[in-house]
Amino acid sequence: EVQLVQSGAELKKPGESLKISCKASGYTFTTYWIAWVRQMPGKGLTWMGIVYPGDSDTKYSPSFQGQVTISADKSFSTAYLRWSSLKASDTAMYYCARLGYNSGWYLASWGQGTLVTVSS
Amino acid sequence: SYELTQPPSVSVSPGQTARITCYGDALPNQYASWYQQKPGQAPVLVIYKGTERPSGIPERFSGSSSGTTVTLTISGVQAEDEADYYCQSADSSPTYVVFGGGTKLTVL
Repeated sequence: EVQLVQSGAELKKPGESLKISCKASGYTFTTYWIAWVRQMPGKGLTWMGIVYPGDSDTKYSPSFQGQVTISADKSFSTAYLRWSSLKASDTAMYYCARLGYNSGWYLASWGQGTLVTVSS
Repeated sequence: SYELTQPPSVSVSPGQTARITCYGDALPNQYASWYQQKPGQAPVLVIYKGTERPSGIPERFSGSSSGTTVTLTISGVQAEDEADYYCQSADSSPTYVVFGGGTKLTVL
């Protein structure tokens, strides 16, 4: 069974750094893209970027390029989302998801989400 | 940037058919997927490749496509189907993934 287990909720101050994680199991981690998706309070889903753990190829939404860093560690079957300097506007739920492909890309399995709250 | 457009809300009575549309210029060339999200829960894939249902998704969920518009149809709507629904597509590389703004389905 495919499982994506995300790290726990975080409460941080503006300007602090943060790295959240998404641990995968039940499939070959290196052969599927992993996506990160933001959901701000009361709002819709926004794609942030994707990483291919096999070779660490990474692609970002223009809205998030330079704002976050997406990475993956094959040794731990874990993907990461990192901020170097958080802002209050980063307050949101963040989901990781494994991409599937069948003539088109879709987000087949989702993590439970990590709530990030940034407040002074 | 590429966008997918959904109506903000759809309302139906139990047992009726709900249709949720999603418009995008690239949809004639890209398959769409649909996700259901209930309050406090992660999204769940309900339709992929335009019309395919993952295992465990009830048969009352179906997808269709016509040109620049894709449609999620829920036949015989049940109270438990009340949720937010999102369409999604991506290019072939993939270089980008895009979501629609979401549609809140209310079961009256």
